Amino acid sequence: EAQVTQNPRYLITVTGKKLTVTCSQNMNHEYMSWYRQDPGLGLRQIYYSMNVEVTDKGDVPEGYKVSRKEKRNFPLILESPSPNQTSLYFCASSFSQGGNQPQHFGDGTRLSIL
Amino acid sequence: GENVEQHPSTLSVQEGDSAVIKCTYSDSASNYFPWYKQELGKRPQLIIDIRSNVGEKKDQRIAVTLNKTAKHFSLHITETQPEDSAVYFCVHSMRFGAGTRLTVKP
Repeated sequence: EAQVTQNPRYLITVTGKKLTVTCSQNMNHEYMSWYRQDPGLGLRQIYYSMNVEVTDKGDVPEGYKVSRKEKRNFPLILESPSPNQTSLYFCASSFSQGGNQPQHFGDGTRLSIL
Repeated sequence: GENVEQHPSTLSVQEGDSAVIKCTYSDSASNYFPWYKQELGKRPQLIIDIRSNVGEKKDQRIAVTLNKTAKHFSLHITETQPEDSAVYFCVHSMRFGAGTRLTVKP
């Protein structure tokens, strides 16, 4: 089954404790992206990757890192999480450059930073 | 950069009525105009999309129209049903609109 898998689905942690949210897709998609969703703001793009070893900042990259060492994986790293990063996070992938193709989303990761 | 504005932010209709959600965009870099539906607690899912070489596309009870001159595109849902209740997002050039919460009352 074609899917985007995120882990964990839920996480409660404390300020400053490094965490990683994993994202994996099995559709051989080139383009992958991370979003955060906050009430009233829609989905805002954090980082995206157009292919292996190619990453770029989205609209709200501060406090986040990503890597794309393999085509299928695109982890989101919070080196020193802060309470303002409490949010619902979605990973998405698409066949090619995401602005011109449908995106497939993971089930989301709800992060609470205390 | 691109600015996508979506209206209304909330919409309540009676079952069987039509619903229309409109988005305006600022740049013309992308020719792709998708709409996503997000049910409560679930992921966004594509429901319909259109490319700028056509002005309208229909899929059963949903349709999308595009006006490139005015830089807006709209989602139309006819004969609404309670299961249409969700948040709908337009997207352009990777920017999401803020979303419209549609409630269909039985």
